[in-house]
Amino acid sequence: GQNIDQPTEMTATEGAIVQINCTYQTSGFNGLFWYQQHAGEAPTFLSYNVLDGLEEKGRFSSFLSRSKGYSYLLLKELQMKDSASYLCAVRDSNYQLIWGAGTKLIIKP
Amino acid sequence: GAVVSQHPSRVICKSGTSVKIECRSLDFQATTMFWYRQFPKQSLMLMATSNEGSKATYEQGVEKDKFLINHASLTLSTLTVTSAHPEDSSFYICSARGGADYEQYFGPGTRLTVT
Repeated sequence: GQNIDQPTEMTATEGAIVQINCTYQTSGFNGLFWYQQHAGEAPTFLSYNVLDGLEEKGRFSSFLSRSKGYSYLLLKELQMKDSASYLCAVRDSNYQLIWGAGTKLIIKP
Repeated sequence: GAVVSQHPSRVICKSGTSVKIECRSLDFQATTMFWYRQFPKQSLMLMATSNEGSKATYEQGVEKDKFLINHASLTLSTLTVTSAHPEDSSFYICSARGGADYEQYFGPGTRLTVT
């Protein structure tokens, strides 16, 4: 079966750095996405990785290792507004998105 | 960037009635649209995938006669929840994908409450 694992909840301090991990087992691979979702709102796109390595976009970076079925989202200089759920999703061989359950990130002052 | 709208943003209806939710791609042609449902504190659950001009493909466990999906044009898909019950109360989100673009663009969601 297809499976995406990420931690349920993480806590970090304002101004610090946090890494959210995601491991996956899917039928085929056509890219990995990270989305941010604030409570009561729809997800918003953060990043897309299809080749191994690190993609940096401002305070957010995303890493992919296809051989290990592993990705992480790195958030730097954390701000209170970064408190949200972070969803990892993998596009499989049918170009369908397989979603992780999301990681709720709590930022403390 | 690509924008997807949903209407209404919130709807309250009585048990047994039907509700229609619209999803529109405003500045691109959406060859494929997706309908998701999300219960509180849970992840997105894909309900169905629809390609313009063809019947929707429903995920296992989703009743196609209860959740009617119409994707009549490249910019509009509708989800109709028929004979709604309180357990259908949820956050319904659509997303759209156009052509060779890899990204799915999400609508803002519709919160449905069935009383």
